[in-house]
Amino acid sequence: GIQVEQSPPDLILQEGANSTLRCNFSDSVNNLQWFHQNPWGQLINLFYIPSGTKQNGRLSATTVATERYSLLYISSSQTTDSGVYFCAVDLYGKLTFGQGTILTVHP
Amino acid sequence: DAGVIQSPRHEVTEMGQEVTLRCKPISGHNSLFWYRQTMMRGLELLIYFNNNVPIDDSGMPEDRFSAKMPNASFSTLKIQPSEPRDSAVYFCASSWGSTGTDTQYFGPGTRLTVL
Repeated sequence: GIQVEQSPPDLILQEGANSTLRCNFSDSVNNLQWFHQNPWGQLINLFYIPSGTKQNGRLSATTVATERYSLLYISSSQTTDSGVYFCAVDLYGKLTFGQGTILTVHP
Repeated sequence: DAGVIQSPRHEVTEMGQEVTLRCKPISGHNSLFWYRQTMMRGLELLIYFNNNVPIDDSGMPEDRFSAKMPNASFSTLKIQPSEPRDSAVYFCASSWGSTGTDTQYFGPGTRLTVL
């Protein structure tokens, strides 16, 4: 099956810092989604991004489908950004998740 | 509009008992997904439905697991008999579209503990 690798596995930041999370995938996919799992376990969809760049406030994402990777940028991080960030690749409706990046933002 | 609704939010049961998890998708969505999250295996797709029909159940771990979607607004995931290794958080998600390739919206999950 398709492999999804995320890096780094853990990231610790001070409030206000910027960060870049990476997602590599092993095969062509229909699209890619980024999720944030907050400390209470809720999974929130951040981006649906099969290719190109999208921005939503302090977050933006870029997917280069031809090179099989996606990047999630978090600028001016806040403590509420803490949690686990997952990328998931979509092949015919089946999402395959990476193992996630655990982000901790200290005040 | 309400999001995906799951019940119960927490379930503690003893090995051998039957467990039924419930999901109400977002109104108008026609694809529904069941996922399981564990520390060891991460997030895994168990089964997904499109227009109430099971499309792919290859992720269902074994015959003890079954899922149904009797109508567009309700689905169940049943485990019978339950085992300690079934302990996990079970998520239901839904999306628009006929292929399931649209943005998926997740419910709050059901945390299952099998003693």
